[in-house]
This record gives sequence, structure tokens and C-alpha cells, in this order.
Amino acid sequence: EAQVTQNPRYLITVTGKKLTVTCSQNMNHEYMSWYRQDPGLGLRQIYYSMNVEVTDKGDVPEGYKVSRKEKRNFPLILESPSPNQTSLYFCASRSRGRDTEAFFGQGTRLTVV
Amino acid sequence: TQLLEQSPQFLSIQEGENLTVYCNSSSVFSSLQWYRQEPGEGPVLLVTVVTGGEVKKLKRLTFQFGDARKDSSLHITAAQPGDTGLYLCAGHATSGTYKYIFGTGTRLKVLA
Repeated sequence: EAQVTQNPRYLITVTGKKLTVTCSQNMNHEYMSWYRQDPGLGLRQIYYSMNVEVTDKGDVPEGYKVSRKEKRNFPLILESPSPNQTSLYFCASRSRGRDTEAFFGQGTRLTVV
Repeated sequence: TQLLEQSPQFLSIQEGENLTVYCNSSSVFSSLQWYRQEPGEGPVLLVTVVTGGEVKKLKRLTFQFGDARKDSSLHITAAQPGDTGLYLCAGHATSGTYKYIFGTGTRLKVLA
């Protein structure tokens, strides 16, 4: 089954404690992205990757890092989480092309206290 | 900054009513996509519109892409409680960026 898998689904952590949210897709897609979704602000892109070892900043990259060492994986790293990073996070993947469908993971609800 | 503004932001209607959701931008888009997101899940694609003026139908849902490819609409006929969810438009502007941006969203609630 074609899918994007994120882990964990829920995470509560303390300010400053490094964390990684994993994302894996099994569709051999070139493009992968991370979004955060906040009430009233919609889905905002954090980082995206067009292929292995190719990443770029989205609209809200501050406080986040990503890596794309393998095509299927695109982890999101918060080196020193802060309460303003409390949000619902989604990973998405798409095949090459401008009109292709984005497939989303089920989301990670992160709370930073 | 390329923006996709959706209206209305919230909509609560009775079962059987019709509704239209709008997605507008000052930028030209090569295509626009509509997604529906249900609580606790990621967005799921409903349709892609590519050609200016294009109309696509998906059962009771009708999608239209504006002639100038700067706007789109989603019309639901005889809404049902199962239509409840967050509706999002999304796309790439034609400026060459590979950023795929989402609209601000319309949260629809259909009451039985």
C-alpha cells in the first residue's frame, strides 16, 4: 500500500530537548516536504527536498533542520525545541512534476512545554 | 509571497443545502488542487484542475478553475454530514518556485 509514515503520532517534550520526527515514503517520490498546521494559519511549509541531498527552506524554517540521505526518508529535526513549535506537523511526498498529487502522513502532534 | 486566500474561513450549514468555497490569488497558477482533511488525518487529494476555465465534477462536488488561472471554486450540491471537513486548495505559482503552497482553508460543518 502506497503510504507516507510519520513517527511518532504524538509527542510531549520539554524546551531544549532535541527531537527527531521521522518520515518515510514507499512510492519512490522525488519530492518530500514538511509542513506545520496551526489554527488560523493553515499549512505552512517548513522545508522541502527535491531529491537526495537536495533540500531548501520553506516559509517557516527557523528552528528546524532536515536531511535527505536516502530517497525514502526525510526526518525533521528540532535541535532545541521551544513552546512556539507546538503544532501539528505533516510530512508529504510527491512525484516529479508540477501537477502531481501530494500524499500526506497522518501527522505528528507535538507539544513543547 | 504567493498566497492562496480561501473564503469563507468557516461554514456551518444544514444537510441538503448548497455551498461554494472560493480560492483566490494574485498569482497565476499552473494548476490548482483541492484537498479534504478530516480530524486526525492528513489532507487527501480530491481533484486537480489544470486548464483555465476547466470544470471538473466529482459526484456532488463541482470544481472550477478561473479563466486567468488565479482562482478556483468548489461547489457542493445537497451537502451531507459526510462532507464535513477542512477543504484546502493548493498549487505551484508559475514563478518557477518549487514551493507548493496551501490555501488558508475552509472548515465546513454539515449538520444532520
